[in-house]
Amino acid sequence: ETGVTQTPRHLVMGMTNKKSLKCEQHLGHNAMYWYKQSAKKPLELMFVYSLEERVENNSVPSRFSPECPNSSHLFLHLHTLQPEDSALYLCASSRTSGVGELFFGEGSRLTVL
Amino acid sequence: QQQVKQSPQSLIVQKGGISIINCAYENTAFDYFPWYQQFPGKGPALLIAIRPDVSEKKEGRFTISFNKSAKQFSLHIMDSQPGDSATYFCAAHWTGANNLFFGTGTRLTVIP
Repeated sequence: ETGVTQTPRHLVMGMTNKKSLKCEQHLGHNAMYWYKQSAKKPLELMFVYSLEERVENNSVPSRFSPECPNSSHLFLHLHTLQPEDSALYLCASSRTSGVGELFFGEGSRLTVL
Repeated sequence: QQQVKQSPQSLIVQKGGISIINCAYENTAFDYFPWYQQFPGKGPALLIAIRPDVSEKKEGRFTISFNKSAKQFSLHIMDSQPGDSATYFCAAHWTGANNLFFGTGTRLTVIP
């Protein structure tokens, strides 16, 4: 496997469910990111991890909980979401944090019923 | 407040034509301006980038024009092809920041 891999690609959940999104990067990068992509809006940075330490938390509601167990894996734990949280969630990596070139995964399409 | 403003929202171009997408910014601390290309079902991928010490950068059919005094930059796609049909995002970044500020995207359709 190469690049950035995200699972699942599609997820439908109720407002009371708990689920997790997974991201794995095979590029040897030190920084990983979660972005939210909604139609007609800019990509919205949610979290940044550098060497497994969270360095940015962009005012994201606590119903989204990130976890970075090592520099290759990143999770986004979801609980009691709202319908407006339905979006494409993109994981990205870069060689270090603060570097402009991001390598994105294909995203996890989340639908909250 | 949106850091990077992008236009148009959508663009339809005939094969062989020139596609032009424009972006504007306010923050003069920005020192890196990339363009990302996203195909349906895929994540964005870096297409081309420029730093403000040059006014133009060309890679194949893709050119970034940069106007520092106007705080604007644009992507030109020469000889547009149907395979260029995708959504294009401009972005801006300053050295040391953890965030890359994206525009809202332009959906380009190239008609055969």
